[in-house]
Amino acid sequence: AQSVSQHNHHVILSEAASLELGCNYSYGGTVNLFWYVQYPGQHLQLLLKYFSGDPLVKGIKGFEAEFIKSKFSFNLRKPSVQWSDTAEYFCAVSPDSNYQLIWGAGTKLIIKP
Amino acid sequence: SQTIHQWPATLVQPVGSPLSLECTVEGTSNPNLYWYRQAAGRGLQLLFYSVGIGQISSEVPQNLSASRPQDRQFILSSKKLLLSDSGFYLCAWSGAQETQYFGPGTRLLVL
Repeated sequence: AQSVSQHNHHVILSEAASLELGCNYSYGGTVNLFWYVQYPGQHLQLLLKYFSGDPLVKGIKGFEAEFIKSKFSFNLRKPSVQWSDTAEYFCAVSPDSNYQLIWGAGTKLIIKP
Repeated sequence: SQTIHQWPATLVQPVGSPLSLECTVEGTSNPNLYWYRQAAGRGLQLLFYSVGIGQISSEVPQNLSASRPQDRQFILSSKKLLLSDSGFYLCAWSGAQETQYFGPGTRLLVL
């Protein structure tokens, strides 16, 4: 069965630290890839997405993600985190352009001021 | 621009009572619509999705049902709530580009 794995359920960092959140999926075909973020008390919102082209995707608020097809990975990165990045981050995959997203379990990120 | 509304924001219901959660989308036509349940530490579970009026696909056998009486209205229902139906319910829409946009959610507590 298709699945999405986020390696860390909880991550705690200090401000200015670098961030990398892992995301791996199990599907051999063409996929579209997404990272969503849910800030405390707010809607789930799109952070960035990859459909095709340059595998290094830049999103809002200084986030980026790299699609490595050979590793079935789409890790999220930010060189220097801020306290306001405290949120829950979800990776999602859409296989073969169907309408459904397969979701990872989420990673709760806490940034210490 | 498009907006998505869900109500109520919070609901407390007794076991065995009916449920109706509503989701409406503005600013787009013929959207794909989705109902999810979000559980802590388990991500989002797709419950239903719809590609058009009256077209509902169920992903998980549930004590729940969904209906789409109008193009931009999606309703999640139950005839008799169970304790296990407690959770956070999210509605989402997408257009042709597949990116899904989420509503604010409804927190349901069944007592």
